[in-house]
Formats: sequence, structure tokens, C-alpha cells
Amino acid sequence: AQTVTQSQPEMSVQEAETVTLSCTYDTSESNYYLFWYKQPPSRQMILVIRQEAYKQQNATENRFSVNFQKAAKSFSLKISDSQLGDTAMYFCALNSGYALNFGKGTSLLVTP
Amino acid sequence: NAGVTQTPKFRILKIGQSMTLQCAQDMNHNYMYWYRQDPGMGLKLIYYSVGAGITDKGEVPNGYNVSRSTTEDFPLRLELAAPSQTSVYFCASRPGGGAYEQYFGPGTRLTVT
Repeated sequence: AQTVTQSQPEMSVQEAETVTLSCTYDTSESNYYLFWYKQPPSRQMILVIRQEAYKQQNATENRFSVNFQKAAKSFSLKISDSQLGDTAMYFCALNSGYALNFGKGTSLLVTP
Repeated sequence: NAGVTQTPKFRILKIGQSMTLQCAQDMNHNYMYWYRQDPGMGLKLIYYSVGAGITDKGEVPNGYNVSRSTTEDFPLRLELAAPSQTSVYFCASRPGGGAYEQYFGPGTRLTVT
């Protein structure tokens, strides 16, 4: 069975600082995709970043980057220069067959 | 493009009532999904569809039904609502091929009392 684990239910960071959110997963597939989604208070699910397992290079999207450790089955999200608008729930997800398997989420609070 | 749209945004149901949550997408995506999100939890898959006329159960299908008569629409039917179905419901879609990222609707908050 494929599982996604986010071990940090809540985190906080000061504006302009850097924060890292952790995610571990388990899968028997050799090729797969990992995602980070953001869910602000508006409830909308927004794709932040994606990583293809066969690509060794870590994905980056502006202030967001990942540290993908395939052997360790780890997929952490780093947010640099945190902004107040980054306050949200962050979900790690792994493609599982046709659908996505989500972790329970990390609630991130960015403080002034 | 409107993307993925869902109606209604909020709904309160009494126990035993039925309703249909509407979902539509205008991106010509083959795959469509229904998830539910309970407080403090991630999203759990209820049903999905790989194309018009084809649907399949996800992790938590009990108490729900779906149909997919067109590429654009994927309604979710709740029969005999129960308090355990109080949740936020998300519809999502994605194109075929290797693009696994899904595009989500704004969600429907449903309360069953």
C-alpha cells in the first residue's frame, strides 16, 4: 500500500525566514510523481510544486524548492523568504494509480 | 477557462435527505475525481472517472454514487445523508498522459444534522 506521512501537524515561521516542511512516503513503484499542494483559508487547493521520481534534480518554483531523497523516500518542501500569504495548510501527495494519495497536512503560520 | 467549478458552495442537509453535488470542468480533461476532506485530515478519494461512461470506486465510496455521461460533468450523489458525511467535498480533474497533477474546484462544505 502507498502511504504519505507528514509528521509536523503545525509549524510557524517569521516573515522573510526560511522553513522546511517534511514528508515521507512509501511506494513499490519505480516511477512516480510527488506534489506539494497549498490550501489557504479560502479552501482552494493550489499546486505548489511537482517532482518526477526519475529526475534526480530537485524541482524549484520561485521561492519554493524540494529536497527529494529517493532512497530515503523523503520529499521535503523549503519555502524561502516566507511571506504572510504563505500561511496555509500544505499537503504532500503521491500519485497512486489514477489518483493522488495525500498526507494529513502541515499547518504553516507565517508571523510578522 | 473557468477551470473546475462546483455547486453549491455550502449546504446543510437533514439526516436521510439526498442531494447531488455538481462538478464541471471546461479543460477537456479525461480524468475526474471526487475527494472528501474531514477536519485535520488529508483528502480521501470517493470515486473517480477515466472518461465518459467509466467510473470506479475510491477509498471511501459507501453512501455515494456518481455518473459520467459527458466529459465535462461529474456529479456526486448522496443518498440518505448521515452525519458521518459532514465534510468538505472537492472535485478535481486532470488530462491524460503523464501529467498527474490535478486541478481542484473550490469545494463544497456539507453539513448533515
